[in-house]
Amino acid sequence: DIQMTQSPSSVSASVGDSVTITCQASHDITYHLNWYQQKPGKAPKVLIYDASKLQLGVPSRFSGSGFGTDFALTISNLQPEDLATYYCQHYDNLLFTFGPGTRVDLK
Amino acid sequence: EVQLVQSGVEVKKPGESLKISCQGSGNIFSSFWIGWVRQRPGEGLEWMAMILPGDSSTKYSPSFEGQVTMSVDMSVRTAYLQWSSLRASDTAIYFCARRYCTSNNCYIDSWGQGTLVTVSS
Repeated sequence: DIQMTQSPSSVSASVGDSVTITCQASHDITYHLNWYQQKPGKAPKVLIYDASKLQLGVPSRFSGSGFGTDFALTISNLQPEDLATYYCQHYDNLLFTFGPGTRVDLK
Repeated sequence: EVQLVQSGVEVKKPGESLKISCQGSGNIFSSFWIGWVRQRPGEGLEWMAMILPGDSSTKYSPSFEGQVTMSVDMSVRTAYLQWSSLRASDTAIYFCARRYCTSNNCYIDSWGQGTLVTVSS
């Protein structure tokens, strides 16, 4: 089974900062990596799919990169509404695997 | 756009049974796998299982095989998740979710609002 790890587990940043969250897969998953944002008390929503493609309607300050085992989600020009937990996710053989999540707080 | 609407808050005692629901809008409900995700208080997302409404094919995560049962009623476009005997450790929010696939990758493009299940004596 493929395991997903994320770092850091939490990060505090100021409005306008750039924040990068990383996700590592235990095996090569090519570009089969997606990113979600979950705001407190809400269902998650997809931000990035196929490692780097922006989901329709998602602000362009969110970007994804990576291939193989190492991936990153970057939030440029952090906004107050970006306070949330971010999860990476891999899909294989009818099973979804989520990373443990990274909480983004505002300073 | 498909919308998924879940049943309401549940408060149960250990050992009781429970069935929660997820109703889909739109006329292509049968064509997409519908899954369930658990989120315990203060914790992350755990994929449980999913079902293809069109033929009731199922796939369970090994961690949840035998612990829950999924079903679907196409006449009301509703998927169900049920427990025969709840435990305190089942206390969580349960989300239903729709699988969407690109050429070789799948992700969740629609989520229900979540059903809070509390199991306590």
